[in-house]
Amino acid sequence: KAGVTQTPRYLIKTRGQQVTLSCSPISGHRSVSWYQQTPGQGLQFLFEYFSETQRNKGNFPGRFSGRQFSNSRSEMNVSTLELGDSALYLCASTTGVNTEAFFGQGTRLTVV
Amino acid sequence: AQSVSQHNHHVILSEAASLELGCNYSYGGTVNLFWYVQYPGQHLQLLLKYFSGDPLVKGIKGFEAEFIKSKFSFNLRKPSVQWSDTAEYFCAVNVGNDMRFGAGTRLTVKP
Repeated sequence: KAGVTQTPRYLIKTRGQQVTLSCSPISGHRSVSWYQQTPGQGLQFLFEYFSETQRNKGNFPGRFSGRQFSNSRSEMNVSTLELGDSALYLCASTTGVNTEAFFGQGTRLTVV
Repeated sequence: AQSVSQHNHHVILSEAASLELGCNYSYGGTVNLFWYVQYPGQHLQLLLKYFSGDPLVKGIKGFEAEFIKSKFSFNLRKPSVQWSDTAEYFCAVNVGNDMRFGAGTRLTVKP
């Protein structure tokens, strides 16, 4: 069974640009969550999607958005990038109901 | 506000020392609790989880955790750490569809 796949693994972008990250969950998992990981801040919850609907949202500005497709794949978009957006972005999938999360390897975004 | 707190940011131990990492949460009601580990350069992996039943749960690699409901705590323990346990450890709480993580504790084990 394939794990959670995130692409790309690494990205370098310039301030002001926008970026789209992709996440393919484990087959059969319908929930996808996104997290931002930075040193000292741990994992900050961005949002969670289930069956193409956003169910939960963390405390991030509107520049951070996401969506989920009918095949459960999810994308996260960050517009007008800032230096502080440099982080490891993690995607996790679950079956959707009170179960453990399985994580991808993450996309490391560097904003210069 | 609902939160997950991990008390130690960085713990340094010698091999064979005992480990206890603290985790407290502020959610009320029924919760599911997890400890995840992130080894250097690897993705987050589940160490152990608690959903219900025996509050002392055992996970992989000799780790265990105890759920104390009255203290809103879920501390992680290991009697004797190894150099290979060097990693970052995250406590997580799941309430319904909402899973929140603590800030993480970096464990360094000196050989």
